[in-house]
Amino acid sequence: TQLLEQSPQFLSIQEGENLTVYCNSSSVFSSLQWYRQEPGEGPVLLVTVVTGGEVKKLKRLTFQFGDARKDSSLHITAAQPGDTGLYLCAGGPSTGTASKLTFGTGTRLQVTL
Amino acid sequence: NAGVTQTPKFRILKIGQSMTLQCTQDMNHNYMYWYRQDPGMGLKLIYYSVGAGITDKGEVPNGYNVSRSTTEDFPLRLELAAPSQTSVYFCASRAGQSNQPQHFGDGTRLSIL
Repeated sequence: TQLLEQSPQFLSIQEGENLTVYCNSSSVFSSLQWYRQEPGEGPVLLVTVVTGGEVKKLKRLTFQFGDARKDSSLHITAAQPGDTGLYLCAGGPSTGTASKLTFGTGTRLQVTL
Repeated sequence: NAGVTQTPKFRILKIGQSMTLQCTQDMNHNYMYWYRQDPGMGLKLIYYSVGAGITDKGEVPNGYNVSRSTTEDFPLRLELAAPSQTSVYFCASRAGQSNQPQHFGDGTRLSIL
């Protein structure tokens, strides 16, 4: 069974601060996706990374896939209240069926004024 | 522009009752998934389907059943509701390639008392 551990579990910061969320596993993944979920809604995809060492930027969000494809990070610069939500990483398996994702434990972010 | 539609949005059941959670998608996606999300946690896969007529168990299938008679619909059945099945249930669909995003419905919040 592949497991993805996210840290921290909870993060409460003020507007303008920077933060990093980590997603770690002992397993290798073929790809890594990051989703954001707002209260009362389903998760929405932010980004997909597929190559070890890959870095992708989405405005103030920077995503990195580890060289060994076992871990990933999400860095937010100058956080805003609109960034508040539950952030989930999800890994695609490196072997066997590519149908299923393994979701991480989640990081709940609150950004206050 | 419906995407993935789940009904009902909320439901309260008594222990031992049965019900079906409905999920339909209009994107002609072959892959469909059912997850449960317990408070403050990530997503756990219950069942999934890679196409009409094909279903398979996920991580936590006990107490649930599914069917996939059409591409559009993927209902989830609870036969004998138990308090441990109190959760928020999400249905998702995905296009063919494994790196494509999963598109989620807004969830069904189910309480079993």
